[in-house]
Amino acid sequence: GAVVSQHPSWVICKSGTSVKIECRSLDFQATTMFWYRQFPKQSLMLMATSNEGSKATYEQGVEKDKFLINHASLTLSTLTVTSAHPEDSSFYICSAKVLGQGNRVSNQPQHFGDGTRLSIL
Amino acid sequence: AQSVSQHNHHVILSEAASLELGCNYSYGGTVNLFWYVQYPGQHLQLLLKYFSGDPLVKGIKGFEAEFIKSKFSFNLRKPSVQWSDTAEYFCAVNAGGGSYIPTFGRGTSLIVHP
Repeated sequence: GAVVSQHPSWVICKSGTSVKIECRSLDFQATTMFWYRQFPKQSLMLMATSNEGSKATYEQGVEKDKFLINHASLTLSTLTVTSAHPEDSSFYICSAKVLGQGNRVSNQPQHFGDGTRLSIL
Repeated sequence: AQSVSQHNHHVILSEAASLELGCNYSYGGTVNLFWYVQYPGQHLQLLLKYFSGDPLVKGIKGFEAEFIKSKFSFNLRKPSVQWSDTAEYFCAVNAGGGSYIPTFGRGTSLIVHP
């Protein structure tokens, strides 16, 4: 089945540093990847939709300059948390959709990475 | 904008009990519906999905869900749960017709006692 690899799985860093999280589709091409943030006991909050070869679409309230998304190829999207602060500590999850018939992505289920636990000291 | 509501936040059952988790959405048009499961320490994975056709959808591990359009609901059911069904369950909706921005419910934590 479709596998999405997310790296790193856990990162601890000092306040003020930048952290890059990678999301790779290992055995399929993904023109669209999603980045979520999950707080404890809460649902997945969509942060942005990452489209290969174009700018990401951010959800309302998500700072574009804070959470930089790059989707340079059909198998890789990266999320960089810039100048991270303790309030950015969270669980970040990426997902990707397999292209459907006629390259339609609308009704395809998502395949999720294992998530990245980010802890900012 | 579409929204998804999962009314049961925490469910505790004994093995062999029947399960029904509620999921309601708000969107008037065509929708694609999904249930995802997240077992402890694992990533989210698809349990079942509905696109069109038979509103009763069979998924993996004995789960099924019924799409009732008039009630805007897509409840998840299993006649007899097992300890291994302990997990977090998420209902998700994305509007059909070309839109693919998914909306997730808050999730339901299911604990099954052996």
